[in-house]
Amino acid sequence: ETGVTQSPTHLIKTRGQQVTLRCSSQSGHNTVSWYQQALGQGPQFIFQYYREEENGRGNFPPRFSGLQFPNYSSELNVNALELDDSALYLCASSFRDNPSDTQYFGPGTRLTVL
Amino acid sequence: GEDVEQSLFLSVREGDSSVINCTYTDSSSTYLYWYKQEPGAGLQLLTYIFSNMDMKQDQRLTVLLNKKDKHLSLRIADTQTGDSAIYFCAEKKGYSTLTFGKGTMLLVSP
Repeated sequence: ETGVTQSPTHLIKTRGQQVTLRCSSQSGHNTVSWYQQALGQGPQFIFQYYREEENGRGNFPPRFSGLQFPNYSSELNVNALELDDSALYLCASSFRDNPSDTQYFGPGTRLTVL
Repeated sequence: GEDVEQSLFLSVREGDSSVINCTYTDSSSTYLYWYKQEPGAGLQLLTYIFSNMDMKQDQRLTVLLNKKDKHLSLRIADTQTGDSAIYFCAEKKGYSTLTFGKGTMLLVSP
């Protein structure tokens, strides 16, 4: 069974640029959630995708957007990068139809904005 | 303020038991989770408990839930140096939305 994978591992961008992060969900899962983890903080929910549609969003501006593909993989796009966007971005997959709907996390992408 | 609160730091000796505490605020939360994060890594699921349970045991891990006080604890028996990490408590709200605390750093000394 393949776990959740994310790419790239690390990324350095400058203010104003755009970035795309990728996530492959665990086999058998149909839901992907994205979280932002700033240094010294717990993960903060960005949004979730289920059946290729956004299904819930946290307190993040519209320049954070995403996609889910038919194979349940997902992308997180961030436009007009700001210094405060520097963080670890975590993707988690789950099986929505399971009552516990437990989320399994990938290793994360470390984004640095200069 | 934070919906989920945890103490920030815990230090124990190898072989002792560790108890990490968490307070959550949403009484409608259905599931509560414990995750472990090692430096530079993602989150590893340790265990979870359904809100109608009081206790769950899984090998060295024991989770206690006091729903009346909205208090959750994770006990690690026979703590090892490899258990040193940050431990996050999380509550599930709505469809799969997890709300995390800031994490408790556990340091295990030999």
